Amino acid sequence: DAKTTQPNSMESNEEEPVHLPCNHSTISGTDYIHWYRQLPSQGPEYVIHGLTSNVNNRMASLAIAEDRKSSTLILHRATLRDAAVYYCILRTDKLIFGTGTRLQVFP
Amino acid sequence: DAGVTQSPTHLIKTRGQQVTLRCSPKSGHDTVSWYQQALGQGPQFIFQYYEEEERQRGNFPDRFSGHQFPNYSSELNVNALLLGDSALYLCASSFGTPDEQFFGPGTRLTVL
Repeated sequence: DAKTTQPNSMESNEEEPVHLPCNHSTISGTDYIHWYRQLPSQGPEYVIHGLTSNVNNRMASLAIAEDRKSSTLILHRATLRDAAVYYCILRTDKLIFGTGTRLQVFP
Repeated sequence: DAGVTQSPTHLIKTRGQQVTLRCSPKSGHDTVSWYQQALGQGPQFIFQYYEEEERQRGNFPDRFSGHQFPNYSSELNVNALLLGDSALYLCASSFGTPDEQFFGPGTRLTVL
């Protein structure tokens, strides 16, 4: 299973943009890039996914490098409710989670 | 729609005992996956059930087994419990080959 590398933690101030990086140098052509987040005391929650093109939804944007070896999850305006562990996952037919990035948001 | 539900919420067992955890998928979903999440770690894939059969399995011993019922609900069974089995057990449901999995709140298992 292809692996991802993320920083252990990041910090942001409320209402500022947040860019969460992910490296996946061993990605294969059929691997989708998925992002999930896990708020304290909850199960993981789907955020966004993509294959080659950048993607936008109501929660976030996903920017995928042209060679697909890295991607960035963008939260356009962080809120206190966005404080969570964010997981970048290369999905084939199952989800393989790493240790994720713990995002702290300060008021 | 109640989403994915799991029972019980918390459970305490002793070493060597057996445990059964239950999961009801989101309405309309036919695939159930189980994950184990140790404290401070990301969820680890245990197995996935579709059409009442185990379709995928992660790197877990045979002490971990499961079942899916005709109504798509699922059970996770763990035999001969070890202290290291203490974790949050998460169930996720999806429809077919999913773009998105919906997770339940988990069952917190403590083995003493």
